[in-house]
Formats: sequence, C-alpha cells, structure tokens
Amino acid sequence: QSALTQPASVSGSPGQSITISCTGTSSDVGNYNLVSWYQQYPGKAPKVMIYEVTKRPSGVSNRFSGSKSGNTASLTISGLQAEDEANYFCCSYAAGNTLFGGGTKLTVL
Amino acid sequence: QVQLQESGPGLVKPSGTLSLTCAVSGVSITSSNWWSWVRQPPGKGLEWIAEIYHYGTTNYNPSLKSRVSISLDKSKNQFSLRLGSVTAADTAVYYCARRTSSVGWFDPWGQGTLVTVSS
Repeated sequence: QSALTQPASVSGSPGQSITISCTGTSSDVGNYNLVSWYQQYPGKAPKVMIYEVTKRPSGVSNRFSGSKSGNTASLTISGLQAEDEANYFCCSYAAGNTLFGGGTKLTVL
Repeated sequence: QVQLQESGPGLVKPSGTLSLTCAVSGVSITSSNWWSWVRQPPGKGLEWIAEIYHYGTTNYNPSLKSRVSISLDKSKNQFSLRLGSVTAADTAVYYCARRTSSVGWFDPWGQGTLVTVSS
C-alpha cells in the first residue's frame, strides 16, 4: 500500500485560513473514519491535532478542524498564526496497516 | 502523565540488527493500550512499523514484517523493537508511541532517536 498523498507545501498570511488535503483510496481514507493529523516542528516529535477525522484532543486550538469527502481528508487551520508554521502529516487506518502521508510544510508568510 | 523514552545504539552496521527500547512511565504497559513504533527517514515522511498489545498480540507493517519483531518487558514497563538485515534505507529517527486502540491515533510520542546504518 502506498503512502497517502499530501501537497509538499502550503502557505498563508496571518489571520487567513488554509486547507491541507490528504488523498488515499477506498481501502483506507475512504473506507474508515480513522484519519488523524499530526503537527511536527523541526527536530521534535509529532503531536496529534485531529483524530477520527473531525475530533480535536483536549488542549488543541479550535482553529484546527478536520473533514473528509470520499477518499480525501482535509485539515483546515483558520486564523493562521506564526506558531502554526510546522510540518503536518495525515494518517489513516488501512485494514491491518497504518498509512501516513508524506507531510506538508506550512509556511506562515 | 504518560511519557515514553526511546534508547538504543545510534549506529548499526549494514546487514546487522537494529534494537531499540521504549521506556514507559505514567501508565502500566499492561493497561489497555497498543504500543507502537514509527520511523522517519531524514527529511521524509512517517512510516508505521509495528505495534503490540499487552496480551502479546502484534501487528506489523506488511512491507517490513519479514524483518521486524516487537516485544514487551512487563517487569521493566518497556517494549522493544528489533529490525534485522538493515540497510542504509533503514536510517531514520525511530519514535515509540501509544495508541488506545489498534486503529486509533498516536498519543503521546517519545522524543525519537536517530539510528544510522553505516559501516
């Protein structure tokens, strides 16, 4: 099974909203509501921001939201802040396997 | 507060075996959690490797299954990874992490440890 597909980079200005897509197949993203999103700063461990497509862990800003349509999941960050500049990875269960996306670098202009 | 900490050799020779341990604190390793390993080659994305439940049930990434084993040490509250026949392609930061189910999300993660495969 191939990794999930994410854009290599996205950018936005402070206060704007951005969306990062994560495209899989009907065997993973499209078949399970088990997509999670992780934020990773350089040299640091990933941190979960969204789980089960739309749920936000305690302590994560409500500026982060998740959604899914068909085989594509999305992470939206509203009201962009400088601290949001990081790498973001999506993840999906896939019938006995777990797949990650290649990661998207978010630049806050 | 659950915390995980990886340890092990930072350098492994080609064709050798990579062995890492993850020490868990703040929760018993025999609790209802899945204990996982994930790796990240330098500058690249994440790859799930394997996971184990406290009963000993294991799941492996099909692409690595022939070379990987994961085990628990309940007396030390830690779990371990062994990856055999390593090549330069196995050079990566290796993370241990907790999942509350075999289909769930990873939280928390250890800080990661860099393993380089080189002669």
